[in-house]
Amino acid sequence: GNSVTQMEGPVTLSEEAFLTINCTYTATGYPSLFWYVQYPGEGLQLLLKATKADDKGSNKGFEATYRKETTSFHLEKGSVQVSDSAVYFCALSEDTGNQFYFGTGTSLTVIP
Amino acid sequence: ETGVTQSPTHLIKTRGQQVTLRCSSQSGHNTVSWYQQALGQGPQFIFQYYREEENGRGNFPPRFSGLQFPNYSSELNVNALELDDSALYLCASSSLGFGDTQYFGPGTRLTVL
Repeated sequence: GNSVTQMEGPVTLSEEAFLTINCTYTATGYPSLFWYVQYPGEGLQLLLKATKADDKGSNKGFEATYRKETTSFHLEKGSVQVSDSAVYFCALSEDTGNQFYFGTGTSLTVIP
Repeated sequence: ETGVTQSPTHLIKTRGQQVTLRCSSQSGHNTVSWYQQALGQGPQFIFQYYREEENGRGNFPPRFSGLQFPNYSSELNVNALELDDSALYLCASSSLGFGDTQYFGPGTRLTVL
């Protein structure tokens, strides 16, 4: 079946530190991969996505590369800001395009 | 472009009652998906509607049901509420297709006492 595993949090970093949040997946077909971000009291916002192997998604300084050989989609940012504090969810979408499978989320706190 | 909206924002019910949650999809989208997000967890897929028909269902009992209307808005109905139904219910709209992004509303926080 399909599933997503994320590194457990919470993660606390100082401003301008390098961020990596690990995500691995299991899929029966050829999924699309996503990172969503959830700020306190809000719904999920798309951060970036990749639809095929070796694609790199990027947005707002965040990047993730679809690695089929390691079934991974790790999220990285070179220099985090206080405003990046949120919960980050890795997700996959089946190749039928309907159901999304989410990881359990990784809480990030960035301190000045 | 109008985003995904949900109502109500918060709701408190007692065990055994029934509840209806509403969602208006983003302009141009014909597909609505519903998710349940328990505290500290990732969203779990309940079901999806495409052109007023159910188009996939997760591992939720039949007391979770839904509707989609001709304008693509949607309702989630939950009968015989249980304490474990307390969660944030998220609606997401999209166009149906491989790799298409789902755009989420702010959610409805349901508390069952």
